[in-house]
Amino acid sequence: QVQLVESGGGVVQPGGSLRLSCAASGFTFSSYGMHWVRQAPGKGLEWVAFIRYDGSNKYYADSVKGRFTISRDNSKNTLYLQMNSLRAEDTAVYYCAKDFRVVAIDYWGQGTLVTVSS
Amino acid sequence: SYVLTQPPSVSVAPGQTARITCGGNNIGSKSVHWYQQKPGQAPVLVVYDDSDRPSGIPERFSGSNSGNTATLTISRVEAGDEADYYCQVWDSSSDSWVFGGGTKLTVL
Repeated sequence: QVQLVESGGGVVQPGGSLRLSCAASGFTFSSYGMHWVRQAPGKGLEWVAFIRYDGSNKYYADSVKGRFTISRDNSKNTLYLQMNSLRAEDTAVYYCAKDFRVVAIDYWGQGTLVTVSS
Repeated sequence: SYVLTQPPSVSVAPGQTARITCGGNNIGSKSVHWYQQKPGQAPVLVVYDDSDRPSGIPERFSGSNSGNTATLTISRVEAGDEADYYCQVWDSSSDSWVFGGGTKLTVL
């Protein structure tokens, strides 16, 4: 069965950096696009970034463009999110998610909490 | 950027039918997907491409999409259906995946 396990969350000061990882199993990772989606405490879902199956194209929400970088290592079945210049409003649970036909998401991890606070 | 509008809350008695709407400019020309999220859990895809169900999702969950409104319909509502529901589309003009603000379904 599909499993997505995020790691790397924690508390970071404003302006700091953090790298999230997502270990994937149960499907052919190198054949699917992948997303990061976040959810601020008590708020709704916000799409953050997408990377194509081969890493050839990457797309970002305007709110993180220029600060966050999505990447993947298909040899390790792992997805990454490098987050720089973090702000208080980046505080959220970050979900790793498997793409469905480039238009939707069919599997989600359990999420990792990122807290940006001094 | 494309905006999806959902009512903040919908309430329904057990056994009745719940309808959750998702409004967007000419949303009928897009494929709409719906997710269920229970407290403390990750979202689950319950309807994709307007009206199709992933395997394991009960037939009680259905969807429709026309004009400026898409609708998720839950028939014979059960207490276990109480959750937040989000609609989502892919906006090709901006290459972004857009979520609605979410609707909290309360089973009375």
